[in-house]
Order: sequence, then structure tokens, then C-alpha cells
Amino acid sequence: ILNVEQSPQSLHVQEGDSTNFTCSFPSSNFYALHWYRWETAKSPEALFVMTLNGDEKKKGRISATLNTKEGYSYLYIKGSQPEDSATYLCAPNSGGSNYKLTFGKGTLLTVNP
Amino acid sequence: DAGVIQSPRHEVTEMGQEVTLRCKPISGHNSLFWYRQTMMRGLELLIYFNNNVPIDDSGMPEDRFSAKMPNASFSTLKIQPSEPRDSAVYFCASRTGTSPDTQYFGPGTRLTVL
Repeated sequence: ILNVEQSPQSLHVQEGDSTNFTCSFPSSNFYALHWYRWETAKSPEALFVMTLNGDEKKKGRISATLNTKEGYSYLYIKGSQPEDSATYLCAPNSGGSNYKLTFGKGTLLTVNP
Repeated sequence: DAGVIQSPRHEVTEMGQEVTLRCKPISGHNSLFWYRQTMMRGLELLIYFNNNVPIDDSGMPEDRFSAKMPNASFSTLKIQPSEPRDSAVYFCASRTGTSPDTQYFGPGTRLTVL
């Protein structure tokens, strides 16, 4: 079973704060890394798919970086808003598989107005 | 695009009953996934279909679980007989089949087995 760790488990920030969290995964047999945003009572929504070491992706105020050599990815949110409150999941493809994702337990972000 | 459609959204049943969950993937997607979400284990893959063929069912917990995909626009996940420990949210996801493409999730079915 692929060991995917996300930290912190939960995070409370004030509106306007910038924040970041980490996803760690085994660097061997890397294929791709996916980030999802999951709001309560909704379904996971795809944010990014990253494949290359050094990749940086951006979507509005959210960005992500990837280091495949050391096995980690950072997700950044600039100027957090209450609507950013959600659980952020990372999921590397398992063991080089081109379809099987192993999801981390997620980071629960709460943005207070 | 309607996205991935799942039904029912909520299901409450009694232990021993048969439960059938349904999924309609996004049109044009040829890969379909069934996941189960629990507090203990998080989001875990149950089965993966490609072009309607089951490719990986290693995540199916036991023989009580079965899944079919009779055509490109419909899949079912059946539990027979159901047990209280099957209570969870079951998600269906689909993607185009071009790796490493994004998987698009449906709204999920919340199953409660009493």
C-alpha cells in the first residue's frame, strides 16, 4: 500500500491569510500526482494533475509545486477566502500505475471571515 | 455537460438486503472507477473499468460485492447481502482514458445499512 501523508491534518486561518500544506509520497515509480478539493457534502473536484519534477501549476489563487525526487508536493492558497474552506486531497498514481490513485487523508482548511 | 450521475443519493436498508448503486459516466469517457469513502480508510478504489471491461477489482472487499458495466454509459455496484459495516459513501468517477487524466467524481451515494 502506497504511503501518502498530508500535513497538517487541519488548519484554521483568517480571511486574507495565505497558507500552504504538504503532501508526501514515495518517490519511486512516480507517474503523476493529483490534487483535489473536497467541500463538505459535495464530490471531490480536480484541481491539478502534475507529472514532471519541478512542475508548478496555478488556478486563480491556488498553486502547487512538485518535487518527484524527494517525493513531496506543496499546495499554496494566497489570500484565503471563506469559500476556500474544504478538504484538500492529494493522490499520487500508485506504484507507477496509470490509473490507480492512492488518496491521502487530506488537509481540512477552515477560513474564518 | 451533466457530469457523472449517481443514483440513489441516499440509501437506507436493513442488513441482509440487496443494494444496487448506479452510475452514468460522463459521455465520451471510457474509464470508470468505483470508490468507497469511510472515516477509517479514507477514499479507496474498489474497481476500475476500461472500455466496459473490469481491469482491476483488487479493491472489492469480498464476494458480496459485484460490479458490472454493460455499456459505456452505465455501471452498477451491487452488495448482496448487505451488512452494517458496508455503510459508507460510494463514489463513481470517470475519465477519458488518456493518462494521466483527471478523474471526475459523481456526487456519491450515502449508504446506511441498519
